[in-house]
Amino acid sequence: EAQVTQNPRYLITVTGKKLTVTCSQNMNHEYMSWYRQDPGLGLRQIYYSMNVEVTDKGDVPEGYKVSRKEKRNFPLILESPSPNQTSLYFCASSLNRGENNSPLHFGNGTRLTVT
Amino acid sequence: AQSVTQLDSQVPVFEEAPVELRCNYSSSVSVYLFWYVQYPNQGLQLLLKYLSGSTLVKGINGFEAEFNKSQTSFHLRKPSVHISDTAEYFCAVRRRSGGYQKVTFGTGTKLQVIP
Repeated sequence: EAQVTQNPRYLITVTGKKLTVTCSQNMNHEYMSWYRQDPGLGLRQIYYSMNVEVTDKGDVPEGYKVSRKEKRNFPLILESPSPNQTSLYFCASSLNRGENNSPLHFGNGTRLTVT
Repeated sequence: AQSVTQLDSQVPVFEEAPVELRCNYSSSVSVYLFWYVQYPNQGLQLLLKYLSGSTLVKGINGFEAEFNKSQTSFHLRKPSVHISDTAEYFCAVRRRSGGYQKVTFGTGTKLQVIP
């Protein structure tokens, strides 16, 4: 089954304790992206990747890191989490044919709480 | 820059009644348009998309949307809603050309179907 898999689904942590949220897709998609969803703000892009070893900042990259060493994986790293990073996070992927018309495929989300 | 406006944050509607969820966008260039649906505790999934051609687009679960270029709108409609349509709906746009173009999401509309 074609899917985007995020882990964990729920995560509670304390301020400053490094964490990683994993994302994996099995559709051979070139493009992957991370979003955070907050009430009243919709989805905001954190980072995206056009292909292996190619990443770039989205709209709200502060406090986050990513890497793309393999095509299927795109982990999101919070080196020193803070309470304002409490949010619902989504990983998404799509084909990247340069035409911008490919829809995004989303994971089921990771609800992060930083105390 | 592009933007998406979903003026209605919540829309309550009785079961079997029609519904329209409004979406207006702003862009200086041509765009692709998408509607995504998010069921409780799940990621977003594509409902329908407008790429070109007929301005009336049909999607899954009986939903349809009409692209109106002069009014820069892409409203989502369903003639008769079901309890299972209770979800949050996101309108999204993406510029057609110029290399990579990010997806811009609206803030979402929660559809509550009342039995």
